[in-house]
Amino acid sequence: DSGVTQTPKHLITATGQRVTLRCSPRSGDLSVYWYQQSLDQGLQFLIQYYNGEERAKGNILERFSAQQFPDLHSELNLSSLELGDSALYFCASTLGVANTGELFFGEGSRLTVL
Amino acid sequence: KNEVEQSPQNLTAQEGEFITINCSYSVGISALHWLQQHPGGGIVSLFMLSSGKKKHGRLIATINIQEKHSSLHITASHPRDSAVYICAVGVGGGADGLTFGKGTHLIIQP
Repeated sequence: DSGVTQTPKHLITATGQRVTLRCSPRSGDLSVYWYQQSLDQGLQFLIQYYNGEERAKGNILERFSAQQFPDLHSELNLSSLELGDSALYFCASTLGVANTGELFFGEGSRLTVL
Repeated sequence: KNEVEQSPQNLTAQEGEFITINCSYSVGISALHWLQQHPGGGIVSLFMLSSGKKKHGRLIATINIQEKHSSLHITASHPRDSAVYICAVGVGGGADGLTFGKGTHLIIQP
């Protein structure tokens, strides 16, 4: 058990809809990263938050947004969903702001867009 | 942009064999991570390297900064080692997230 909790584990929805994925980091970790894993693109970095502030942005679409709350949990909002958004979405947490620390991954949220 | 290449893409071996998975990257990095992903999806961090060599049980990871190359070795492989092994690199101190290789799908047959 990594200590990182993601909900929901599975989500099926329709095109055009909006969903929210939630991540609770490991106790004490201040950084949360969001990653998307699809069959054709592999794992891709979406966005990082550190202690409530956005720190780095990767290949995140404008239809997607995220935030980190004062209790350090994070939410990834996906809107105007398309078939191609079907993927596994992982969050990972680490203690510091840098990517040089050990990463702890959640079990992922599997999104299916029909 | 950092390109991360892993080889081989697929590897099938017999139980007990010594396994080597390679990872090459194109630009300087601050850290290299080896990750393991089992069927069902969960990802576990195996190693984080910035130089030298690390060992954990039957797993050994090495990195050569000058050659921009890392290897993951598994000694006395076992069917439970069957998984996808992913190399990921980071540049800068939190300047971005990680860039991932496409993974090596390892199957260890009894």
